[in-house]
Amino acid sequence: GQNIDQPTEMTATEGAIVQINCTYQTSGFNGLFWYQQHAGEAPTFLSYNVLDGLEEKGRFSSFLSRSKGYSYLLLKELQMKDSASYLCAVRDSNYQLIWGAGTKLIIKP
Amino acid sequence: GAVVSQHPSRVICKSGTSVKIECRSLDFQATTMFWYRQFPKQSLMLMATSNEGSKATYEQGVEKDKFLINHASLTLSTLTVTSAHPEDSSFYICSAGTGSGYEAFFGQGTRLTVV
Repeated sequence: GQNIDQPTEMTATEGAIVQINCTYQTSGFNGLFWYQQHAGEAPTFLSYNVLDGLEEKGRFSSFLSRSKGYSYLLLKELQMKDSASYLCAVRDSNYQLIWGAGTKLIIKP
Repeated sequence: GAVVSQHPSRVICKSGTSVKIECRSLDFQATTMFWYRQFPKQSLMLMATSNEGSKATYEQGVEKDKFLINHASLTLSTLTVTSAHPEDSSFYICSAGTGSGYEAFFGQGTRLTVV
């Protein structure tokens, strides 16, 4: 079956750096996405990786290793507004998005 | 980025009635739209894939006669929850793709409460 694993919850301190990991086993691979979702709101797009390596976008970076079925989202200079759930999703061979359960990130002052 | 508008954002209805949720792509043509349901503290669950001009493809376990999907144009898809029951109360979210792009753009979501 298809599976995406990410930690359920993480806690970090304002101003610090946090890395959220995601491992996947899917039938085919056509890209990996990271989304941010605040409580009660729809997800918003953060990043997309289809080739191995690091993609940097401001305070957020995303890394992909296809051979290892692994990705991480790196958040720097954490702010209180970064408290949210972070969803990892993989597009499989049928171009369907397979979603992880999300990682709830709690930022403490 | 592309904009997807979903309406209404919140709706409360009585048990047994039907509710229609609209999903519009405002500045691009969406050949495919996706409908998700999300229960509290759970991940997104794909309900169906809506293709313009053809019947929607439903995921296993989703009742197609209860969740009617219409994708009549390249910018509009609708989800109708028929004969709603309290257990249908959930957060419903649509997303759309440009076809040539790689992002999935989400609507704002609809919080449905059936009383």
